[in-house]
Amino acid sequence: GNSVTQMEGPVTLSEEAFLTINCTYTATGYPSLFWYVQYPGEGLQLLLKATKADDKGSNKGFEATYRKETTSFHLEKGSVQVSDSAVYFCALSGSSSNTGKLIFGQGTTLQVKP
Amino acid sequence: NAGVMQNPRHLVRRRGQEARLRCSPMKGHSHVYWYRQLPEEGLKFMVYLQKENIIDESGMPKERFSAEFPKEGPSILRIQQVVRGDSAAYFCASSPLQPGQGITEAFFGQGTRLTVV
Repeated sequence: GNSVTQMEGPVTLSEEAFLTINCTYTATGYPSLFWYVQYPGEGLQLLLKATKADDKGSNKGFEATYRKETTSFHLEKGSVQVSDSAVYFCALSGSSSNTGKLIFGQGTTLQVKP
Repeated sequence: NAGVMQNPRHLVRRRGQEARLRCSPMKGHSHVYWYRQLPEEGLKFMVYLQKENIIDESGMPKERFSAEFPKEGPSILRIQQVVRGDSAAYFCASSPLQPGQGITEAFFGQGTRLTVV
């Protein structure tokens, strides 16, 4: 079945450091891919998305490219801020599915220190 | 346009009691999804509903859990005879699009944190 695997956290960085959070997936068909962010005590917010191979999603300085050949959707940011501290979830939604449900990775906690 | 509204935000129940979690989707959204997040884990799909219909309940425990989305009013996730293992954050999401027709972008509520004591 479909699944998502993320790098384990926590990831601890200093402010202005480069961020990479790895995400790989297993899916049949051509899924859409998403990154969601969860701040402490809050729900999930959509950060960015990509719907087909080689698409690049971007938002708030974050980027991720849909790589079908490596089945990956790694999240990157060139210079992190303390306010980026949160839990990041990679997810997929199968285009062949008729339910629209999301399958999430286990989440990666990012801690950014001043 | 208000977002997805869940209530209560926090719910404490004793073992054996019933828990009722409510979710009002965004205006114009007719698709609702419930997810459960156990401590230190990702979100796990539970159930997908449209108005008055359960479309996919493949993630629902076979006993004690039920969900509905009536024609009028919020979606309800009901847990009967709660046990300590039900303690988790329960998130509702809604979608404006018909699944299978392209992007499924889900908008999440802030969740209900259930604690069973």
